[in-house]
Amino acid sequence: DSGVTQTPKHLITATGQRVTLRCSPRSGDLSVYWYQQSLDQGLQFLIQYYNGEERAKGNILERFSAQQFPDLHSELNLSSLELGDSALYFCASSVTDVNTEAFFGQGTRLTVV
Amino acid sequence: DAKTTQPPSMDCAEGRAANLPCNHSTISGNEYVYWYRQIHSQGPQYIIHGLKNNETNEMASLIITEDRKSSTLILPHATLRDTAVYYCIVRALITYDPRGNEKLTFGTGTRLTIIP
Repeated sequence: DSGVTQTPKHLITATGQRVTLRCSPRSGDLSVYWYQQSLDQGLQFLIQYYNGEERAKGNILERFSAQQFPDLHSELNLSSLELGDSALYFCASSVTDVNTEAFFGQGTRLTVV
Repeated sequence: DAKTTQPPSMDCAEGRAANLPCNHSTISGNEYVYWYRQIHSQGPQYIIHGLKNNETNEMASLIITEDRKSSTLILPHATLRDTAVYYCIVRALITYDPRGNEKLTFGTGTRLTIIP
Protein backbone atom coordinates (compact mmCIF):
# COMPACT_ATOMS: atom_id res chain seq x y z
CA ASP A 1 0.00 0.00 0.00
CA SER A 2 1.59 3.23 -1.22
CA GLY A 3 -0.61 5.46 0.95
CA VAL A 4 -2.08 7.20 -2.12
CA THR A 5 -5.81 6.64 -2.46
CA GLN A 6 -7.70 6.97 -5.72
CA THR A 7 -11.45 6.77 -6.15
CA PRO A 8 -13.34 5.32 -7.82
CA LYS A 9 -11.39 2.22 -8.84
CA HIS A 10 -13.58 1.64 -11.88
CA LEU A 11 -15.79 3.98 -13.85
CA ILE A 12 -17.93 3.29 -16.89
CA THR A 13 -19.59 6.19 -18.64
CA ALA A 14 -20.94 7.20 -22.02
CA THR A 15 -19.38 9.41 -24.64
CA GLY A 16 -20.02 13.09 -24.12
CA GLN A 17 -20.27 12.77 -20.35
CA ARG A 18 -18.14 14.34 -17.63
CA VAL A 19 -16.43 12.53 -14.77
CA THR A 20 -14.31 13.45 -11.78
CA LEU A 21 -11.47 11.33 -10.49
CA ARG A 22 -10.25 11.86 -6.97
CA CYS A 23 -6.83 11.43 -5.39
CA SER A 24 -5.80 11.63 -1.75
CA PRO A 25 -2.01 11.90 -1.45
CA ARG A 26 0.12 10.32 1.23
CA SER A 27 0.03 12.13 4.53
CA GLY A 28 2.52 14.99 4.40
CA ASP A 29 2.99 14.97 0.63
CA LEU A 30 2.43 18.36 -0.98
CA SER A 31 2.87 17.41 -4.62
CA VAL A 32 0.36 15.52 -6.74
CA TYR A 33 0.90 14.21 -10.26
CA TRP A 34 -1.64 12.80 -12.73
CA TYR A 35 -0.77 10.26 -15.41
CA GLN A 36 -2.79 8.56 -18.15
CA GLN A 37 -2.06 5.05 -19.38
CA SER A 38 -4.02 3.83 -22.38
CA LEU A 39 -4.16 0.14 -23.29
CA ASP A 40 -0.66 -1.15 -23.96
CA GLN A 41 0.68 2.39 -23.89
CA GLY A 42 3.20 4.04 -21.65
CA LEU A 43 2.50 6.39 -18.80
CA GLN A 44 1.76 9.87 -20.10
CA PHE A 45 2.22 12.77 -17.72
CA LEU A 46 -0.81 15.05 -17.57
CA ILE A 47 -0.34 17.64 -14.85
CA GLN A 48 1.28 18.34 -11.50
CA TYR A 49 0.21 20.43 -8.52
CA TYR A 50 2.27 21.50 -5.57
CA ASN A 51 0.58 22.84 -2.44
CA GLY A 52 -2.45 23.95 -4.39
CA GLU A 53 -0.66 25.53 -7.34
CA GLU A 54 -0.22 24.14 -10.82
CA ARG A 55 3.46 23.32 -11.26
CA ALA A 56 3.86 21.50 -14.55
CA LYS A 57 1.69 20.60 -17.48
CA GLY A 58 2.14 17.73 -19.89
CA ASN A 59 0.01 16.41 -22.71
CA ILE A 60 -3.28 17.28 -21.08
CA LEU A 61 -6.23 17.89 -23.35
CA GLU A 62 -8.25 21.11 -23.05
CA ARG A 63 -11.27 18.94 -22.15
CA PHE A 64 -9.39 17.84 -19.03
CA SER A 65 -8.73 19.96 -15.98
CA ALA A 66 -7.47 19.41 -12.48
CA GLN A 67 -7.10 21.15 -9.17
CA GLN A 68 -5.59 20.61 -5.77
CA PHE A 69 -7.61 21.65 -2.76
CA PRO A 70 -6.45 23.19 0.55
CA ASP A 71 -6.54 19.75 2.20
CA LEU A 72 -4.15 18.65 -0.61
CA HIS A 73 -6.45 16.16 -2.24
CA SER A 74 -6.72 16.53 -5.99
CA GLU A 75 -9.40 16.01 -8.59
CA LEU A 76 -9.05 15.37 -12.29
CA ASN A 77 -12.06 16.41 -14.33
CA LEU A 78 -12.61 14.86 -17.74
CA SER A 79 -15.38 16.29 -19.92
CA SER A 80 -16.91 15.65 -23.34
CA LEU A 81 -15.56 12.15 -23.04
CA GLU A 82 -14.56 10.22 -26.12
CA LEU A 83 -13.93 6.52 -26.63
CA GLY A 84 -10.20 7.26 -26.80
CA ASP A 85 -10.23 8.60 -23.26
CA SER A 86 -10.67 5.07 -21.97
CA ALA A 87 -7.56 4.43 -19.92
CA LEU A 88 -6.04 3.95 -16.51
CA TYR A 89 -5.54 7.22 -14.70
CA PHE A 90 -2.89 7.24 -12.00
CA CYS A 91 -2.24 9.75 -9.31
CA ALA A 92 1.12 10.00 -7.57
CA SER A 93 2.35 12.09 -4.69
CA SER A 94 5.67 13.19 -3.31
CA VAL A 95 6.89 15.32 -0.45
CA THR A 96 8.27 18.15 -2.56
CA ASP A 97 7.85 19.36 -6.10
CA VAL A 98 11.28 18.17 -7.16
CA ASN A 99 11.54 14.90 -5.29
CA THR A 100 11.00 12.22 -7.87
CA GLU A 101 10.61 9.43 -5.37
CA ALA A 102 6.92 9.47 -6.09
CA PHE A 103 4.34 7.05 -4.73
CA PHE A 104 1.55 5.97 -7.02
CA GLY A 105 -2.02 5.04 -6.31
CA GLN A 106 -3.68 1.98 -7.76
CA GLY A 107 -5.39 3.97 -10.45
CA THR A 108 -8.89 4.56 -11.77
CA ARG A 109 -9.89 2.51 -14.77
CA LEU A 110 -12.13 4.63 -16.97
CA THR A 111 -14.16 2.99 -19.70
CA VAL A 112 -16.05 5.21 -22.13
CA VAL A 113 -18.75 3.41 -24.09
CA ASP B 1 16.02 15.11 -19.17
CA ALA B 2 18.37 12.56 -20.73
CA LYS B 3 16.78 9.77 -22.75
CA THR B 4 17.14 6.13 -21.83
CA THR B 5 17.25 2.95 -23.89
CA GLN B 6 16.11 -0.38 -22.51
CA PRO B 7 15.54 -3.77 -24.14
CA PRO B 8 11.82 -4.28 -24.73
CA SER B 9 11.69 -7.66 -23.01
CA MET B 10 13.73 -10.15 -20.99
CA ASP B 11 13.21 -13.54 -19.38
CA CYS B 12 14.82 -14.81 -16.20
CA ALA B 13 14.55 -18.12 -14.40
CA GLU B 14 12.99 -18.06 -10.97
CA GLY B 15 15.63 -17.93 -8.24
CA ARG B 16 18.30 -16.51 -10.52
CA ALA B 17 19.53 -12.93 -10.58
CA ALA B 18 17.74 -10.70 -13.05
CA ASN B 19 20.00 -8.08 -14.62
CA LEU B 20 18.19 -5.29 -16.41
CA PRO B 21 20.35 -2.93 -18.46
CA CYS B 22 19.72 0.70 -19.24
CA ASN B 23 21.64 2.98 -21.55
CA HIS B 24 21.70 6.69 -20.79
CA SER B 25 24.67 7.91 -22.79
CA THR B 26 23.57 11.58 -22.73
CA ILE B 27 23.18 11.77 -18.97
CA SER B 28 24.30 15.03 -17.36
CA GLY B 29 26.39 15.37 -14.26
CA ASN B 30 23.47 16.36 -12.05
CA GLU B 31 21.08 13.66 -13.26
CA TYR B 32 20.18 10.67 -11.14
CA VAL B 33 19.17 7.24 -12.40
CA TYR B 34 15.83 6.05 -11.05
CA TRP B 35 14.14 2.70 -11.44
CA TYR B 36 10.42 2.03 -11.12
CA ARG B 37 8.40 -1.04 -11.96
CA GLN B 38 4.77 -1.63 -12.85
CA ILE B 39 3.16 -4.95 -12.11
CA HIS B 40 0.30 -5.57 -14.48
CA SER B 41 -1.97 -2.50 -14.46
CA GLN B 42 -1.00 -1.56 -10.90
CA GLY B 43 0.48 1.80 -10.01
CA PRO B 44 4.23 2.10 -10.65
CA GLN B 45 6.42 1.26 -7.68
CA TYR B 46 9.68 3.00 -6.80
CA ILE B 47 12.63 0.60 -6.60
CA ILE B 48 15.91 2.45 -6.24
CA HIS B 49 17.91 5.44 -7.45
CA GLY B 50 21.54 6.52 -7.61
CA LEU B 51 23.93 9.17 -8.88
CA LYS B 52 27.30 7.53 -9.44
CA ASN B 53 27.90 5.11 -6.61
CA ASN B 54 26.39 1.66 -6.59
CA GLU B 55 23.31 1.44 -4.42
CA THR B 56 21.56 -1.43 -2.69
CA ASN B 57 18.31 -1.68 -0.80
CA GLU B 58 15.97 -4.45 0.25
CA MET B 59 14.55 -4.75 -3.23
CA ALA B 60 17.48 -4.45 -5.60
CA SER B 61 20.97 -3.27 -6.41
CA LEU B 62 21.87 -0.55 -8.88
CA ILE B 63 25.21 -0.65 -10.65
CA ILE B 64 26.20 2.52 -12.50
CA THR B 65 29.23 2.45 -14.80
CA GLU B 66 32.10 4.76 -14.05
CA ASP B 67 31.31 6.97 -17.05
CA ARG B 68 27.62 6.93 -15.96
CA LYS B 69 26.49 6.19 -19.49
CA SER B 70 24.76 2.97 -18.51
CA SER B 71 23.44 1.15 -15.49
CA THR B 72 22.11 -2.23 -14.46
CA LEU B 73 19.33 -3.03 -12.06
CA ILE B 74 19.87 -6.33 -10.31
CA LEU B 75 17.13 -8.33 -8.65
CA PRO B 76 19.27 -10.86 -6.76
CA HIS B 77 16.82 -13.75 -6.45
CA ALA B 78 13.95 -13.23 -8.85
CA THR B 79 10.54 -14.55 -7.93
CA LEU B 80 7.38 -14.85 -9.98
CA ARG B 81 6.12 -11.69 -8.29
CA ASP B 82 8.94 -9.76 -9.94
CA THR B 83 7.29 -10.18 -13.34
CA ALA B 84 6.63 -6.58 -14.36
CA VAL B 85 7.60 -3.74 -16.67
CA TYR B 86 10.74 -2.04 -15.37
CA TYR B 87 11.36 1.62 -16.16
CA CYS B 88 14.74 3.32 -16.09
CA ILE B 89 14.44 7.11 -15.74
CA VAL B 90 17.09 9.79 -15.52
CA ARG B 91 16.12 12.94 -13.73
CA ALA B 92 17.92 15.94 -12.35
CA LEU B 93 17.30 16.82 -8.71
CA ILE B 94 17.18 20.56 -9.07
CA THR B 95 15.35 23.38 -7.45
CA TYR B 96 12.10 24.52 -8.92
CA ASP B 97 12.39 24.84 -12.67
CA PRO B 98 10.08 27.55 -14.04
CA ARG B 99 9.91 25.57 -17.27
CA GLY B 100 7.95 23.04 -15.26
CA ASN B 101 10.10 19.96 -15.66
CA GLU B 102 9.47 18.32 -12.31
CA LYS B 103 7.58 15.41 -13.81
CA LEU B 104 8.79 11.82 -14.04
CA THR B 105 9.04 10.85 -17.70
CA PHE B 106 8.44 7.16 -18.34
CA GLY B 107 9.71 5.43 -21.46
CA THR B 108 8.57 2.06 -22.73
CA GLY B 109 10.58 0.05 -20.20
CA THR B 110 11.61 -3.60 -20.16
CA ARG B 111 8.99 -6.29 -19.74
CA LEU B 112 10.63 -8.81 -17.41
CA THR B 113 9.10 -12.27 -17.26
CA ILE B 114 10.21 -14.64 -14.53
CA ILE B 115 10.04 -18.23 -15.71
CA PRO B 116 9.17 -20.95 -13.15
